[in-house]
Order: sequence, then C-alpha cells, then structure tokens
Amino acid sequence: DTGVSQDPRHKITKRGQNVTFRCDPISEHNRLYWYRQTLGQGPEFLTYFQNEAQLEKSRLLSDRFSAERPKGSFSTLEIQRTEQGDSAMYLCASSFTDEQFFGPGTRLTVL
Amino acid sequence: DAKTTQPTSMDCAEGRAANLPCNHSTISGNEYVYWYRQIHSQGPQYIIHGLKNNETNEMASLIITEDRKSSTLILPHATLRDTAVYYCIDRGMDAGNMLTFGGGTRLMVKP
Repeated sequence: DTGVSQDPRHKITKRGQNVTFRCDPISEHNRLYWYRQTLGQGPEFLTYFQNEAQLEKSRLLSDRFSAERPKGSFSTLEIQRTEQGDSAMYLCASSFTDEQFFGPGTRLTVL
Repeated sequence: DAKTTQPTSMDCAEGRAANLPCNHSTISGNEYVYWYRQIHSQGPQYIIHGLKNNETNEMASLIITEDRKSSTLILPHATLRDTAVYYCIDRGMDAGNMLTFGGGTRLMVKP
C-alpha cells in the first residue's frame, strides 16, 4: 500500500454511459498524475496537476475526458459517452519530490 | 514515445542476481534514468534512479555506463516476489515531468 487510494477498483459500464473515478493522493503531495494502461502495454500519461492547477494534458485526453483537482487534494477523472476503446486500467500517482507513488488503479470495462 | 529499449522478457533463478539491461542512447544531459516495476494487478512501484553515478538502495543497484547510453538494474538476490515487469525510463530533471513508459522487461524468477 503506497498511501494513494483509488475508487472504485473496478467499474463495468455500457457504451455511452458516463463514469467518474476518484483518486486520493498522499496528503502532503502537491503533484498528481493520471495514466492509462491497456493490456500488455506500459502506462501512458494523461494529465498532471500541481496543487489545483492542471498544468499538462496529453493528446490522449480527448474532449470526452475531464479531470479536476478542486482543492489541491483529491482528484476526479470523468469520461463522458464511454466507448469500448476506453476499456483500460486508470492509474493515479502523486509526488512531492522525484518519486511518483502509484495507486492500485481503477479497471474500466466498457461493454 | 518511450526513448528506451529493453528486452521483452528474461528469466532468473531464485537467489541469483537478476541483471536487467536498458539502452537509452538518446538520453540528454538533463535527464535521469529511472526504474520502476509493476507486479501483476498493482500500480507501478519506484525502484531507483540515477544521473551518471552508480546508485544503490535497499532494493537494487543501478549501473550507468560512462557515456550514459545504457544502464543495468541489478537485483542482487532475486526472490519469487520480484517477478514483475521492469520499466526503464528517461526523465527530465523537472520533478513535475511525467513518466514515459515503454514496454518494459517481464522478469520471471523461477524456483
């Protein structure tokens, strides 16, 4: 257990539905990252927050994806109008210095 | 895209040293070499990082060649619990930089 928690751990949804995931970082960490990992591949960067400011977004983050970190603590990642291609593990990580601590991930299955 | 190349898979006998190579021939002077690993169904876990000197911690040793174009992660006494995918990553010095994962090396430690 790294101290980073994610909820839910698993989510099954039907195509076209909206889903929201939550990440609670280690409390003193000011940086928070979202990654996506498909089967057999390494994680891919989605977006990065420093405190409440979203400083970087990957081109993978289409306009159906939105992430927030309203008070610089927990973060949410929402996917609207889900597609089967969104099926993946969504990983959250937090850091204060160089080392990123990863949560266990949320596995999304879109039917 | 990842800038490192690693063998797809390796085997190691339990109790022996596991030596995992990585090529990063395009690494720039302000980039560190990071190693993470991912045990099945868990988020990635930080192992070690270095700039140009060899590094050692309680988990592993990192040997970086003098020209910095390659490195080797050494697990001195591999156990079954070290079975995982090991990722070698070039990362800029800005602590906010994301991690760019490649495919990694799947290490299987066998009894």
